[in-house]
Amino acid sequence: NAGVTQTPKFQVLKTGQSMTLQCAQDMNHEYMSWYRQDPGMGLRLIHYSVGAGITDQGEVPNGYNVSRSTTEDFPLRLLSAAPSQTSVYFCASSLGQGGTIYFGEGSWLTVV
Amino acid sequence: EDQVTQSPEALRLQEGESSSLNCSYTVSGLRGLFWYRQDPGKGPEFLFTLYSAGEEKEKERLKATLTKKESFLHITAPKPEDSATYLCAVFYGNNRLAFGKGNQVVVIP
Repeated sequence: NAGVTQTPKFQVLKTGQSMTLQCAQDMNHEYMSWYRQDPGMGLRLIHYSVGAGITDQGEVPNGYNVSRSTTEDFPLRLLSAAPSQTSVYFCASSLGQGGTIYFGEGSWLTVV
Repeated sequence: EDQVTQSPEALRLQEGESSSLNCSYTVSGLRGLFWYRQDPGKGPEFLFTLYSAGEEKEKERLKATLTKKESFLHITAPKPEDSATYLCAVFYGNNRLAFGKGNQVVVIP
């Protein structure tokens, strides 16, 4: 049972480049989300989705884009990478909002 | 102002030395409080959900309790494998979720 799978694990980008962090879950969860974790800041919500075709912004959405074409997949796109986006990114899913959240293993992104 | 405050930020324990971690919150309309464990280089792993004041949950050496304004995670006779960062999160109001910054615990053999 894979749970939440996100790729890549590590990525180095140059300022201005774009990339997509992939996320997939096999638990048939409706709710999926992306967080970033920075030292001393805790987990902050970037974007979330309550089901296929429905997405919304979280606490820190600027510079990121998401889509949800299927229940399983929820990619996060960095449109034009900036050093401030250097962080650890976690994809997560739950049966519904307020349910137990299952996290992926994380993606370490460095923007130089 | 932080909605969820965890203390202490860091804690070093001798193996077998019991202690407690605190998660205090200022949100209104609490609908659930979660505890997660996070190992270095890994994603958070679910431990407990508490829904109402007075509720307690246990798992091995960990016991979580909840009052109207805070939650405690008690670690009884910790072992080195209990070393991790423990995260608290509150679900409240109109489907809002806020995480604390974590309690980093190191258990020394």
